[in-house]
Amino acid sequence: DGGITQSPKYLFRKEGQNVTLSCEQNLNHDAMYWYRQDPGQGLRLIYYSQIVNDFQKGDIAEGYSVSREKKESFPLTVTSAQKNPTAFYLCASSIDRKTEQFFGPGTRLTVL
Amino acid sequence: KQEVTQIPAALSVPEGENLVLNCSFTDSAIYNLQWFRQDPGKGLTSLLLIQSSQREQTSGRLNASLDKSSGRSTLYIAASQPGDSATYLCAVRKGGTASKLTFGTGTRLQVTL
Repeated sequence: DGGITQSPKYLFRKEGQNVTLSCEQNLNHDAMYWYRQDPGQGLRLIYYSQIVNDFQKGDIAEGYSVSREKKESFPLTVTSAQKNPTAFYLCASSIDRKTEQFFGPGTRLTVL
Repeated sequence: KQEVTQIPAALSVPEGENLVLNCSFTDSAIYNLQWFRQDPGKGLTSLLLIQSSQREQTSGRLNASLDKSSGRSTLYIAASQPGDSATYLCAVRKGGTASKLTFGTGTRLQVTL
């Protein structure tokens, strides 16, 4: 089955810890994205990558980091510098930067 | 700065009713607009993508229209079913070189028996 997978589904982080969220796609898409969703707010773009070994900051990149070493994978690290990381994180991909985006099932991160 | 608004925030209709969800955006220089469905605690499912040069797109019981000059899109759902209950999100992609989607906050739809 072609699609986007995210792991883990639920993640708990202690204050001061870095955590990494996984996103994998087997759709052969060049572009990948990370969004954050908070109650009552629209999705906000954290980082996006149009091609392997390249990525750009979105609207709320502070406290986050990414890598794109493989076409299929776009992991997101939430660092201790992110002051309010509790949220639902969604990964998406598209053939290129202007085509339809497809989303993974999400990871819910909670800070203890 | 592009802003996307969806009204109403919540809607409850009886099964079988036809309904319209609204999406408005402030900057008409868009490349395309995408409608999504989100079930509670789940990711987004793409429903329809409508290019800026198009007036409408159809998929099954769903029809999306776009009036770029007035900054509006509507999602029409025919013969609603309880399984249509979900949050519906619209998102616009800026024209030019930007690849960013700007999302509305969604309309939460409840279809009752």
